Amino acid sequence: DSGVTQTPKHLITATGQRVTLRCSPRSGDLSVYWYQQSLDQGLQFLIQYYNGEERAKGNILERFSAQQFPDLHSELNLSSLELGDSALYFCASSPRGGPYSGNTIYFGEGSWLTVV
Amino acid sequence: KNEVEQSPQNLTAQEGEFITINCSYSVGISALHWLQQHPGGGIVSLFMLSSGKKKHGRLIATINIQEKHSSLHITASHPRDSAVYICAVNSGGTSYGKLTFGQGTILTVHP
Repeated sequence: DSGVTQTPKHLITATGQRVTLRCSPRSGDLSVYWYQQSLDQGLQFLIQYYNGEERAKGNILERFSAQQFPDLHSELNLSSLELGDSALYFCASSPRGGPYSGNTIYFGEGSWLTVV
Repeated sequence: KNEVEQSPQNLTAQEGEFITINCSYSVGISALHWLQQHPGGGIVSLFMLSSGKKKHGRLIATINIQEKHSSLHITASHPRDSAVYICAVNSGGTSYGKLTFGQGTILTVHP
């Protein structure tokens, strides 16, 4: 158990709909990262939040947005869903200090999204 | 060409064999991760390297910064090692979760 909790584990929804994926980081971790894993694109970094503020952006579509709340949990909002958005969405968290402090990244179990 | 290339893409071994998975990258990095993903989908970070070599049990990871290359070795492989192994690099800065991933190596170890 990594200590990172993601809900829901599985989600099936129709095209055009909107969903929210939730992530609770490990206790005390200020950074939260979101990743998408699809069959054709593999794993891709989407976005990072640090203590409530957006820190870095990757290949995140404009239809997607995220936020991190004062209690440090994060939500990834996916709207106007398309079939190609079907993927496994991972959340991860890490302690302060980064690799120079020897800290690694802890992944949640992922949320499987199927768009039909 | 991808920024992170892994080889081989698929690897089949017999239990007890020594296994090597390679990762080459084309950008400057602050850290490199080796990740393991089991069929259930969850991802575990096995190693994070910025230089040299690390060992954990039967797993050894090395990195050569000058040659932009890393290897993951599994000694005395076991069927429970069957998984996808993914190399990922962080290109620097404080956003060290901003990773670029390799395509993964599917390892199958037969008893």
